[in-house]
Amino acid sequence: AQSVTQLDSHVSVSEGTPVLLRCNYSSSYSPSLFWYVQHPNKGLQLLLKYTSAATLVKGINGFEAEFKKSETSFHLTKPSAHMSDAAEYFCVVSDLKTGGSYIPTFGRGTSLIVHP
Amino acid sequence: NAGVTQTPKFRVLKTGQSMTLLCAQDMNHEYMYWYRQDPGMGLRLIHYSVGEGTTAKGEVPDGYNVSRLKKQNFLLGLESAAPSQTSVYFCASRKLAGGKDEQYFGPGTRLTVT
Repeated sequence: AQSVTQLDSHVSVSEGTPVLLRCNYSSSYSPSLFWYVQHPNKGLQLLLKYTSAATLVKGINGFEAEFKKSETSFHLTKPSAHMSDAAEYFCVVSDLKTGGSYIPTFGRGTSLIVHP
Repeated sequence: NAGVTQTPKFRVLKTGQSMTLLCAQDMNHEYMYWYRQDPGMGLRLIHYSVGEGTTAKGEVPDGYNVSRLKKQNFLLGLESAAPSQTSVYFCASRKLAGGKDEQYFGPGTRLTVT
C-alpha cells in the first residue's frame, strides 16, 4: 500500500526567501515520486520526478527535491521565491500495485502564498 | 501534439441528469485516468485504464462509469448526477515505457450539479 502526506496545507513566504514544501510517503515497493504545480483555474504541470536515479532531483523554475529513503521524505525546495510561484503544489507517490498497475496517490496539496 | 484534451470545459447539470465527459490523448499512451478534485482533498482517482478495452475502479468510483473503446479516448459517464458530484474533473494519460514515467493532465472540466 502507498500513501503520501503533505505536512502543511499552507506555506507563506516573502518574495526572495527560500521555499520548503514538505512531503512524506509510504510505499511497499521502490516508489516513483513526483511534484506537480497547479496555478489557479489551471491543470497540473509536472515540476520534477524521482524514479530511482539521482536522489537530488532538479526540476523546472528552479525547484528541486531530495529523495531521502531513511526519512521517507521528498521535500520540495527553491532558494528564492518569486511571485509567480504562488500556486497549489501536489506531492505524488506511485509504486507497482499488485497486478502490475502503477496507480498514483496524490497528497492533499500545499498552497504556497508569496508576499511582495 | 495536442496532448490531453477534455470536453466540455464547463457544464451545469440538474440532479438526475446524465452526461459524458470525453478525454482524448494523441501520445499513444497506454494508461489513462479520471480524477476529481475537491477543495482540500487533492486529486482522487475515480477510474483508470491500463489499455484499450480495459477499465478498473479507483478510490471513488461510485456513481461513475467509464469506457475505453479506443486507445486514445477515455470516457467518463454520470448516469444520474447528484450534487455531491459537483467537482473539477481531470483526465490524465501516462507513458510508462523506455525508462520514462510521466503523467500528462488535461485542462479539467468544471461540473456543477444543482
